[in-house]
Amino acid sequence: AQSVTQLDSHVSVSEGTPVLLRCNYSSSYSPSLFWYVQHPNKGLQLLLKYTSAATLVKGINGFEAEFKKSETSFHLTKPSAHMSDAAEYFCVVGLYKFYFGSGTKLNVKP
Amino acid sequence: GAVVSQHPSWVICKSGTSVKIECRSLDFQATTMFWYRQFPKQSLMLMATSNEGSKATYEQGVEKDKFLINHASLTLSTLTVTSAHPEDSSFYICSARDGTSGADTQYFGPGTRLTVL
Repeated sequence: AQSVTQLDSHVSVSEGTPVLLRCNYSSSYSPSLFWYVQHPNKGLQLLLKYTSAATLVKGINGFEAEFKKSETSFHLTKPSAHMSDAAEYFCVVGLYKFYFGSGTKLNVKP
Repeated sequence: GAVVSQHPSWVICKSGTSVKIECRSLDFQATTMFWYRQFPKQSLMLMATSNEGSKATYEQGVEKDKFLINHASLTLSTLTVTSAHPEDSSFYICSARDGTSGADTQYFGPGTRLTVL
């Protein structure tokens, strides 16, 4: 069985400050983990994925995530938020089938 | 890159009618396609897995007679919402996996917004 929990439904940051979106997962085997972003009225875009290689994964648009097996976490970070980062972010676990977290809405204030 | 399209992008129908949504992989052959449902301001819920040439596998709680899935070719899967009711109004998203990428690679379509009056 697999599940993923996004700990914050909403996160608000100021432009230029760091972003942290938290995700914890559970899986009966070593899964692949992903972060997707969904902008309003647009499709899902893959930010990054972890597939048992390096624990620190770099993605697009300056995002990165660190896989911590001991904490069963896969938190998403970005050093400096941009206005264009405002969107819904989904943490996803799975290999063949994908299971989505509940989502975190990121708001970036000017 | 791999592109997945959906048609229509939005549809409005009357209660009791059936609606068909198409999902196409445009530049690759999709051995497996997945259908998701997303309620407003909520996450995506996996509805079913569709393998070309075989019956779809539905997730627990999803009515297979309500949501008919056909994967007749390697580039097309269809979802038919039968006898639609207002509670079926939702955003339906498909994804496709090709046979050459890893098992964890899925390409998502842009989604179809269904409104049932």
